[in-house]
Amino acid sequence: EIVLTQSPGTLSLSPGERASLSCRASHSVSSSYLAWYQQKPGQAPRLLIYDTFSRATGIPDRFSGSGSGTDFTLTITRLEPEDFAVYYCHQYGSSPLTFGGGTKVEI
Amino acid sequence: QVQLVQSGAEVKKPGASVKVSCKASGYTFTTYGFSWVRQAPGQGLEWMGWINTYNGNTNHAQKLQGRLTMTTDTSTSTAYMELRSLRSDDTAVYYCARQNGWYAPGDYWGQGTLVTVSS
Repeated sequence: EIVLTQSPGTLSLSPGERASLSCRASHSVSSSYLAWYQQKPGQAPRLLIYDTFSRATGIPDRFSGSGSGTDFTLTITRLEPEDFAVYYCHQYGSSPLTFGGGTKVEI
Repeated sequence: QVQLVQSGAEVKKPGASVKVSCKASGYTFTTYGFSWVRQAPGQGLEWMGWINTYNGNTNHAQKLQGRLTMTTDTSTSTAYMELRSLRSDDTAVYYCARQNGWYAPGDYWGQGTLVTVSS
């Protein structure tokens, strides 16, 4: 099983600042099958990034993904008020599919 | 537009079973599979299993083997998740998520179904 470790657990920032969220895998993620989700309280997760780099439909370009192998990063260049949420990384290259523990981005 | 609408909240006693439905609309049902994902209160996301809606093949998380059954009804474009022998630590919000094949993330998600297991 690929264990995904996200850091930091909580990121305290202000609107307009840049956020960098890390996701480290215990084994290499097959074919860069790594995604990022945003989740707000009481809502289902929303797909932001898939295949490490690709933005999902309707996702603004302030969200970007990078990385390979075992180290991946989600960057939000200029935080908007609606970006304060919990973010999860997710690998779908090998079974069982796994999620990281989440990073909370708070004001 | 794509919509996944799940069944309502359930309260079950330990040892009982629960069956959650996920009705899809806005696309051709058999061209996408589904993962089921759960989230215990205040916790992260846990993948439970995946079903191929075209041929019914499934892949389960090992820890749920023997308790989890996933099925689909193509005539109504509905996916089902049944979990048996419920325990208190099965209390969670259960989500269905559409996937464009096995090597794909869930791109659309249902609204979630809260299942509470309590005596």
